[in-house]
Amino acid sequence: AQKVTQAQTEISVVEKEDVTLDCVYETRDTTYYLFWYKQPPSGELVFLIRRNSFDEQNEISGRYSWNFQKSTSSFNFTITASQVVDSAVYFCALRPNTGNQFYFGTGTSLTVIP
Amino acid sequence: EAQVTQNPRYLITVTGKKLTVTCSQNMNHEYMSWYRQDPGLGLRQIYYSMNVEVTDKGDVPEGYKVSRKEKRNFPLILESPSPNQTSLYFCASRLMRVAGGRERGQYFGPGTRLTVL
Repeated sequence: AQKVTQAQTEISVVEKEDVTLDCVYETRDTTYYLFWYKQPPSGELVFLIRRNSFDEQNEISGRYSWNFQKSTSSFNFTITASQVVDSAVYFCALRPNTGNQFYFGTGTSLTVIP
Repeated sequence: EAQVTQNPRYLITVTGKKLTVTCSQNMNHEYMSWYRQDPGLGLRQIYYSMNVEVTDKGDVPEGYKVSRKEKRNFPLILESPSPNQTSLYFCASRLMRVAGGRERGQYFGPGTRLTVL
């Protein structure tokens, strides 16, 4: 099965707190690609990161960091020192190497309270 | 400016009245796709196309048709819309092959909010 699970439906944090958004995936493929997208209240979908299955190096971009662990099939996203502008729905997505279909999780709605 | 455009942005229609949502991209991307977004269900892929005249079903193709006659356009057709097709629709495009493997993922259009009464 090809599937992405984002078990956290909604999260609220107070500004400046750190927050981690969980993403667990299932795929039959040994090669695959993982993505995170942000959907702010305005509704557009913004690409954040893409990770290959053969590259387990974690990545940091400013206050954002991503932890990819093949052993647990997880690709978690951490926001450090959260800000109100981080309030959005965040989607994790999977594209197996065989085929060209994308599989999205159900999203996590993050609210950062000032 | 690199972009994916969708029209209309908002549409209210009645059951059974055929409609088309247009999608166009100016980035010469081979891959185009349609998604629907519903509360609690995330984004689900309806159809995708890897090039002109090549289309494939996604997870929820029932009730929808697509065509890819030109590389830049990928319209979504609802021949006989029903209330369960009320949703937010997104079109997306991407390059199939990126030099150095630096795939950037998909570029999404602004969305079309469809209501079927």
